[in-house]
Amino acid sequence: GDSVTQMEGPVTLSEEAFLTINCTYTATGYPSLFWYVQYPGEGLQLLLKATKADDKGSNKGFEATYRKETTSFHLEKGSVQVSDSAVYFCAPTRSMFSGGYNKLIFGAGTRLAVHP
Amino acid sequence: DVKVTQSSRYLVKRTGEKVFLECVQDMDHENMFWYRQDPGLGLRLIYFSYDVKMKEKGDIPEGYSVSREKKERFSLILESASTNQTSMYLCASSSLSGNDTTDTQYFGPGTRLTVL
Repeated sequence: GDSVTQMEGPVTLSEEAFLTINCTYTATGYPSLFWYVQYPGEGLQLLLKATKADDKGSNKGFEATYRKETTSFHLEKGSVQVSDSAVYFCAPTRSMFSGGYNKLIFGAGTRLAVHP
Repeated sequence: DVKVTQSSRYLVKRTGEKVFLECVQDMDHENMFWYRQDPGLGLRLIYFSYDVKMKEKGDIPEGYSVSREKKERFSLILESASTNQTSMYLCASSSLSGNDTTDTQYFGPGTRLTVL
């Protein structure tokens, strides 16, 4: 079945360090790919998305490229800040039925802790 | 901005009680979802609804039911709460996408339910 594998956390970095959070997926068809972020005590927010192969999603200094050949969507940021401390979820979509609705398949999440 | 609100941030109930979790969205979205979030398991879909009075089971519907009498409101019901239903519950909504696979889900802040 469809699934997502994210690197296990927690990931602990110093401020201004380079961040990579790996995400690989298995999905039928041609999914869209999302990264969501959950800050402490809050619900999930969309961070970025990509809808076709080689697309790069970007937001708030974060980037991820849709790699169909490796079924990956790794999240990167060149210089993290303390305010980036959160849990990050990778999520491809899966078509539920012919009506076009798509379900998100969530990974377990990766906790990022950034120290000053 | 899309706003998804949930009736309570924290809730404590006793085993066997009937529990209602309410979710309201203000963007006229067709789709609404209920997830539970548990450490190490990510988000798991309980139920979703693609229209008023329409519902579909997600991955873990056992022990839950839902109600959607109005487009903006989606309720999750625990008929007889049990301790293994202690969790964070997240509601989300999205627009009907048809053949477009880019529909983004917008999340509420979550309700942390404890069943004693």
